[in-house]
Formats: sequence, structure tokens, C-alpha cells
Amino acid sequence: GQQVMQIPQYQHVQEGEDFTTYCNSSTTLSNIQWYKQRPGGHPVFLIQLVKSGEVKKQKRLTFQFGEAKKNSSLHITATQTTDVGTYFCAGSAGNNRKLIWGLGTSLAVNP
Amino acid sequence: DTGVSQDPRHKITKRGQNVTFRCDPISEHNRLYWYRQTLGQGPEFLTYFQNEAQLEKSRLLSDRFSAERPKGSFSTLEIQRTEQGDSAMYLCASSLAGGGGISHGYTFGSGTRLTVV
Repeated sequence: GQQVMQIPQYQHVQEGEDFTTYCNSSTTLSNIQWYKQRPGGHPVFLIQLVKSGEVKKQKRLTFQFGEAKKNSSLHITATQTTDVGTYFCAGSAGNNRKLIWGLGTSLAVNP
Repeated sequence: DTGVSQDPRHKITKRGQNVTFRCDPISEHNRLYWYRQTLGQGPEFLTYFQNEAQLEKSRLLSDRFSAERPKGSFSTLEIQRTEQGDSAMYLCASSLAGGGGISHGYTFGSGTRLTVV
């Protein structure tokens, strides 16, 4: 079945350093979504990518969807303590309308 | 509309008891999802509805789990004969169906934390 893998599982950075998490699917995706979950909270939708090679930016966050629509990345420039949390990618494939979630990357930022 | 509401926030129950959770989605959203999440894991898909129709249910779920969305608005998730392994956060989310059947981003509720003792 469809699987979505995320690396790394954990990342510790100093405030001001950059951070990247990668998402890889075993199958070609129709779309990919990214979510952020703060400790003790629930996932919050960040963005959706649909087109091959698509790049979207939200302030310090840059999201990319691979040309083959099987991988994606989230890059945070100059991390801040407010970026702490777990970042999940989730994608759907073909006619399957439910999202398959990665296990997430937990980001810790040292002030 | 204040978002997705879930009730109760916390539930402690004895093994073998039945529990029911409620989810009120964003009123304009036609899709509703139930997920389960344990510590350190991503959300695990349980089931989803488009309007009142239950379109998919995880094969991982036993027959002890059932969900309804009788009028295409709120939904309930019932777990019968609870087991300690059912302890988790149960998350409800809603979304709008977009072009080609792809959903727009999900809006999650705060979840119901179930503890089976």
C-alpha cells in the first residue's frame, strides 16, 4: 500500500539556523499537504501543493513538490523558538481521497 | 463558526465499557474525518464521510468501532467493549472537497483523549 516516509525524525537546531524536513512517497501523489503540531496541540494546516515542481513560500517557510510528485520538502530559514513542533506531510494518490500521513519531524529550537 | 468542536475533551473509562465521542465540523465543510493519534506517532486514519455517506473505513479497525454522520452535519464515533490499546487521542477533522476530488486542507478539532483503565 501507499507509504509516506519523513526524515529526519528529530532535529535540534540553534535559533537562527535553517531547518529542512523531507517527505518521500512510495507512489506518485495527487497532492501533498503540510501540517504543524505544537506539543499538546492538534495538527494545523500549513499548505497544499498540487503541481509538479511547485514551490510555495510563507514568510520564512518554503515548500517544494518534486517533479515526479513523489517527494516534497519544507525548509525554514532562520528558525525561531516559535517554530518548535512536529511537522507532518500527508499525501493522497490516484482516486484515493484520504491522506496518508508521514510520522513527522520533531523540531526543537535552542534559544 | 468557531472551527471543529469535539466533545468530550477527556474520557476515562474502564475496560469493557462503551464510549461515544462527538464531532461538530465546520458547517460549510462536506468531508469529515476521524483519526487516532498516539504519542510520537502521526495521525492514523480511521474513517471518513462525504456528507452523510461513509466512504471509507480503515481495515485496521475492528468491528468494535463504528461512526455515523446521520444528517451530514455532526458525527459520532463509538467504541464498544474498550480495551487498553484503544487509549489514544481521537481527532476529528473537516474539509471541503476540491477539484478532482482532492480535499482542501483539513481543520482539526482539539481531540478527545481516551484513557482505558
